[in-house]
Formats: sequence, structure tokens, C-alpha cells
Amino acid sequence: QQQVKQSPQSLIVQKGGISIINCAYENTAFDYFPWYQQFPGKGPALLIAIRPDVSEKKEGRFTISFNKSAKQFSLHIMDSQPGDSATYFCAASLSGNQFYFGTGTSLTVIP
Amino acid sequence: EPEVTQTPSHQVTQMGQEVILRCVPISNHLYFYWYRQILGQKVEFLVSFYNNEISEKSEIFDDQFSVERPDGSNFTLKIRSTKLEDSAMYFCASRVTNTGELFFGEGSRLTVL
Repeated sequence: QQQVKQSPQSLIVQKGGISIINCAYENTAFDYFPWYQQFPGKGPALLIAIRPDVSEKKEGRFTISFNKSAKQFSLHIMDSQPGDSATYFCAASLSGNQFYFGTGTSLTVIP
Repeated sequence: EPEVTQTPSHQVTQMGQEVILRCVPISNHLYFYWYRQILGQKVEFLVSFYNNEISEKSEIFDDQFSVERPDGSNFTLKIRSTKLEDSAMYFCASRVTNTGELFFGEGSRLTVL
């Protein structure tokens, strides 16, 4: 059973545009939802994370929107830049337990 | 900035050989993890380790895998008899508490021939 489903698999956005990546989860007990950014040859790095007691969290150009009833959360990258080109993974976990990762979204921002 | 370091960055081995991947977690972290990522696929959990014992492991982490914290700094993943399908990037991760931010190393790429 796939605990976290992520879409799209790949995304191409013009510089300055908005990138949106979506994730859906199965387990309603999950209580931590991070997004990781991964550049080629590097390990995943935490970008932003949210807990289910809030519906939105914003850090700079990055925003997580969280819909508890729909069991969905999304990453919005405003004013996308070529330097944002990377693979993005959503994840979900139950406190103290393993992270379940989505399948990843390869984002390309065209200058 | 403190970071998780992993060695080797790349290892090539013959099928059936033993491999040890090494990790130095961030010094004040107490919870340690191994994940793997087959090329182009998602990151998969292998095992978590706390207080010198395994706290959780996945179905992937079978009898061929073992972890050890031989001293106060290193955290190792051993694969006893490698298979072709073990070829992947292996990531070590650590965090201070079991609910805190998870920091990943840069990975060790294992190629099994």
C-alpha cells in the first residue's frame, strides 16, 4: 500500500511562475508532513514542513497548503527561479516513526 | 553548519560480497536512520536506531542487513551478501529527537555487479 502519493512526476515552469506539487496520504494518524528538496548527487534537504493543526505555512517563496479532510497537502513555489530546479519529495510520518516518501517531482524552471 | 557525513561516496562491489557503509551523524543527535533510493525512484526507509538498538525496520531490511554503532560517532550499515538489486543510493539521516527535523547525508552510491 502506497502511503503517500505524489503528482505530477515532472513539472516545467517558466521563471517567475508558480510551481504546484500535490500529495495525498492514507493514514489519518500522520502528524508531520515535510517537503524535501534534492539536487542531483545530494541528499534530500528539508525545505518546509507542516503539522495538521494548521492549514497553511509560508516560508519565503514556499508555501504548504494542508487539507486535513481531503488528506491532501501541496507545495507552492511562488516566483519560481532556475535555481529551484530540483526533485521535490513530500513525506508523512507518525511521531517518532519512519517517514513515508512520495515518488518525487522533477521540477525544471526555464529561464 | 553541522552535517551528516557518509563514506564512501561510491562503492562498486561484486555480487555476494560484504559491504559496509559508514555514517557520522550530527554530534548531538540521538536518532539514526538508513534510507535507500534506487535510481529515479522514491526514498525508502530501511531502519531506525536509538539507544543502541533498532527501533523500527522495514521489509527491505532483511537478515542480510545489519546496523551498528561501534563507537560514539559512527553508525554503519552492513550488507552481508550483496545482490544486484541492492544497487542504490544509501542515505544516512539523524535527528535530535524523534519528532525533530531529519537531516540527511549526501549518500553512498552502491553499485553491485
